[in-house]
Amino acid sequence: EDQVTQSPEALRLQEGESSSLNCSYTVSGLRGLFWYRQDPGKGPEFLFTLYSAGEEKEKERLKATLTKKESFLHITAPKPEDSATYLCAVQPLFGNEKLTFGTGTRLTIIP
Amino acid sequence: DADVTQTPRNRITKTGKRIMLECSQTKGHDRMYWYRQDPGLGLRLIYYSFDVKDINKGEISDGYSVSRQAQAKFSLSLESAIPNQTALYFCATSETGTGRNTIYFGEGSWLTVV
Repeated sequence: EDQVTQSPEALRLQEGESSSLNCSYTVSGLRGLFWYRQDPGKGPEFLFTLYSAGEEKEKERLKATLTKKESFLHITAPKPEDSATYLCAVQPLFGNEKLTFGTGTRLTIIP
Repeated sequence: DADVTQTPRNRITKTGKRIMLECSQTKGHDRMYWYRQDPGLGLRLIYYSFDVKDINKGEISDGYSVSRQAQAKFSLSLESAIPNQTALYFCATSETGTGRNTIYFGEGSWLTVV
C-alpha cells in the first residue's frame, strides 16, 4: 500500500527565515510526486510534479527536490503570503494511477 | 471564472436526507474525481471517472454514489446523510493520455450533517 508521511505537521517561521518541509513516501514504482498548496477553506493549488530522483523544480521562493525515498520543499526567505498548508502526494506507476496524499504541513510565516 | 466549479459551496443538512454535490469543469479533461478532506486524515478518494461510461470506486465509497452526466459534469450523492459525512468535499479533474496527469481541484464544498 502506498504511503506518504509529511513532517513537521506544523512549522512557524519568521519572515525571511528559510527552511524545508519533508515528504517521505513508499510506493511500488513512482509515476510522479506532486506538491500542492492549500489555503484555509480552499482547494489545493498545484505547485510541482517531480518524476525521477535528482529532479528539482523551482517557483518563486519554493524549490522541490526528489530522492528515491523522499521529497523536500525548500522555502527561501519566506513572506507572510507563503503561509498555507503544503500537501504532498504520490502517484504509482502501475494500477489506477490514484494519488495518495499526506496530511500536510501547516506553514505560518510571522511578519 | 474557476475551471472546476462546485455547487453548493456550503450546505447544512439533516441526518437521513439526500444531498447532491455538483461539479462542472471547463478544462476539457476526461477524468474527474471526488475527494473528501477531514482534519488529520488528508484527502481521500471517494469515486473517480475516466470517461462518461467509466465509474470507479475509490477508497471510501460506502454511503456515496456518483453520476457522470457529461464529460464536464460529475455529481456526488449522499443517499441518506449521516453526521460522520460532515467534511470538505473536492471535485477534481485531470487529463488523459499524457501518462503523467496532474490533478486540478475545485474550491470545495463544505457539508455539515446535523
